[in-house]
Amino acid sequence: EVQLLESGGGLVQPGGSLRLSCAASGFTFTNFAMSWVRQAPGKGLEWVSTISTAGDYTFSADSVRGRLTISRDNSKNTLYLQMDSLRAEDTAVYYCTKHEGGKYYGCWGQGTLVTVSS
Amino acid sequence: DIQMTQSPSSVSASVGDRVTITCRASQGISSWLAWYQQKPGKAPKLLISGASSLQSGVPSRFSGSGSGTDFTLTISSLQPEDFATYYCQQANSFPLTFGGGTKVDIK
Repeated sequence: EVQLLESGGGLVQPGGSLRLSCAASGFTFTNFAMSWVRQAPGKGLEWVSTISTAGDYTFSADSVRGRLTISRDNSKNTLYLQMDSLRAEDTAVYYCTKHEGGKYYGCWGQGTLVTVSS
Repeated sequence: DIQMTQSPSSVSASVGDRVTITCRASQGISSWLAWYQQKPGKAPKLLISGASSLQSGVPSRFSGSGSGTDFTLTISSLQPEDFATYYCQQANSFPLTFGGGTKVDIK
């Protein structure tokens, strides 16, 4: 069974940093691109970043580029999101997702809440 | 960037009703479109990819159609477990973008 388990969310002050992790199991992690997708409270879904299977290519939304950095450790089957210079508008549930058939989000974790507030 | 516009933003329907949700892309995306279902407090679930390919385990009352810029998700006979919010997503090019969502609630 595919499982994606996010951790690392919490309350952080504006300008602060946080690192999210996503532990993957139940599939061959190295074979799949991965993404982070977020959802602000009461709002819709927003793509954040995508990373290729080997981690050599990354793509990020303009709203987060230079502040939120996606990476992966294929030896640990783990996806990361390093979050720096956080802003109030980064407050959201962050979902780890596994790609299917291209750029579709085939599987989702349960999400981890990041709250940026003083 | 490709903008995705869903309509309606909400719909009230009864069990057994046929429900149709539309999604329009600001430019052609061929068949690179997905539909997701999200229930309150839960992660989204992929229902349809490639505009019309039903994911394994998804009931056949769900169907998708369209190509280019105009797409539809149809629920042929609404069931109690189908009350949720539905999102379309274009998978043609980065930045990957979602529609604003359509909430299907009980009439």
